[in-house]
Amino acid sequence: DAMVIQNPRYQVTQFGKPVTLSCSQTLNHNVMYWYQQKSSQAPKLLFHYYDKDFNNEADTPDNFQSRRPNTSFCFLDIRSPGLGDAAMYLCATSRERRGNSPLHFGNGTRLTVT
Amino acid sequence: GDSVTQMEGPVTLSEEAFLTINCTYTATGYPSLFWYVQYPGEGLQLLLKATKADDKGSNKGFEATYRKETTSFHLEKGSVQVSDSAVYFCALSSSGLTGGGNKLTFGTGTQLKVEL
Repeated sequence: DAMVIQNPRYQVTQFGKPVTLSCSQTLNHNVMYWYQQKSSQAPKLLFHYYDKDFNNEADTPDNFQSRRPNTSFCFLDIRSPGLGDAAMYLCATSRERRGNSPLHFGNGTRLTVT
Repeated sequence: GDSVTQMEGPVTLSEEAFLTINCTYTATGYPSLFWYVQYPGEGLQLLLKATKADDKGSNKGFEATYRKETTSFHLEKGSVQVSDSAVYFCALSSSGLTGGGNKLTFGTGTQLKVEL
């Protein structure tokens, strides 16, 4: 089945130690997104790629970076994780640019910062 | 800017009860509307969608109708099951992202607990 796959499901890192989260898709969608979801809150968009074009949300901290080496893969890099960065990180894709094109989410990576 | 308001949870129901989760929105233009469901420890799954006024989205016994006059998209199900226990997010989508793609604006989510 075509899908969005995130690895690992659970990631533990130390305060200030860089960490990378991975996302891959077999849907061949043009757009990939990273969302941050803290406990009992709505997901918050961090950034997205349309093909290779990177787009940052205005309030995404500089501590967060992303890479998309090809259509299938996208990475989220947190350069110096703080305790406040502990959250579920969701990767999503969409086929079209239009607003009626639904997003397809992975199962997320739950990040713990110790 | 765009916003979505959902009723606060948790909502606790007995199995086979009728479910309504209210959702209203504020948006410019003509957004598409979605309900996503999140089971414990998992990502979000699309439950249903509606792309224009008076459209009804339906899936797995859940329904929601896009009401432009009341800017609402309430989720309903006639008879809930224990397996429906999850968090439900109402969302709208506008094609306003730079470089293409669409941006989902989520409500804060409503937790549903269904008991035997």
